[in-house]
Amino acid sequence: AQSVTQPDIHITVSEGASLELRCNYSYGATPYLFWYVQSPGQGLQLLLKYFSGDTLVQGIKGFEAEFKRSQSSFNLRKPSVHWSDAAEYFCAVAHSSGTYKYIFGTGTRLKVLA
Amino acid sequence: DAGVTQSPTHLIKTRGQQVTLRCSPISGHKSVSWYQQVLGQGPQFIFQYYEKEERGRGNFPDRFSARQFPNYSSELNVNALLLGDSALYLCASSSSSNQPQHFGDGTRLSIL
Repeated sequence: AQSVTQPDIHITVSEGASLELRCNYSYGATPYLFWYVQSPGQGLQLLLKYFSGDTLVQGIKGFEAEFKRSQSSFNLRKPSVHWSDAAEYFCAVAHSSGTYKYIFGTGTRLKVLA
Repeated sequence: DAGVTQSPTHLIKTRGQQVTLRCSPISGHKSVSWYQQVLGQGPQFIFQYYEKEERGRGNFPDRFSARQFPNYSSELNVNALLLGDSALYLCASSSSSNQPQHFGDGTRLSIL
C-alpha cells in the first residue's frame, strides 16, 4: 500500500540552528514528492516539489530537500531556522503519471526556541 | 491573483444534519480536490473534479458527495453528519495533474 511516514511527531530546535525533517515513502513507482507547511488555523502552503531531474530541490523560505531513491526518502532541510518557521510540516507523494490524489504523512510539528 | 478561497471559515452543526462547503479555485485552474484533515493527522483525499467530472474518490462513505460548476468552483456536501466528521476540510486547485496543488485555508466543521 502507498504510504508516507514522518517519523518525528515533534521537533524542537533553537533559532539559528540547522533543521532536518525526515520523510520516507512506500510507493510502487517513482513518485512526485512535495513538502507543505501549515501554520495554526491555516491551509497548506507549498514549500517545494520534486518531479524529476536534479535530486536536490530548492524551495521557498530557504528550504531544500533531497530525493534519495535508494532510501525512499525526501528529507527537508534548512541551514538556519527562524522563529517564524514554527509550524507543522507535511510530506506528500503522488503518482508520477499525473494524479490529483496526494497521500500525506501525519506531519511534524516544529517548535523554535528563541 | 487570489488564491483558493473557501467558505464558510467555520461551521457548527449537530449530528444528523447536512452541510455544504464551497470552494473557488485559483483563476485558470480547472481541477479541484477536497481533503479532510482530522486534528493531529495529515489531510486525507476525498474527491477530485476536473472539467466538472469526478476523476477520483477516496475511501469515504456515500454520505460525502461533491460537484463542480461551469466556472470550476466546487461544493462538498456531507449528509447525516456524525461526530467523527468534525475536521478541517481543505480544498485544493491545480492547473493540471502535473502541477502542484494549491490549498485554501479550509473550513473548520464542528459537530455537536
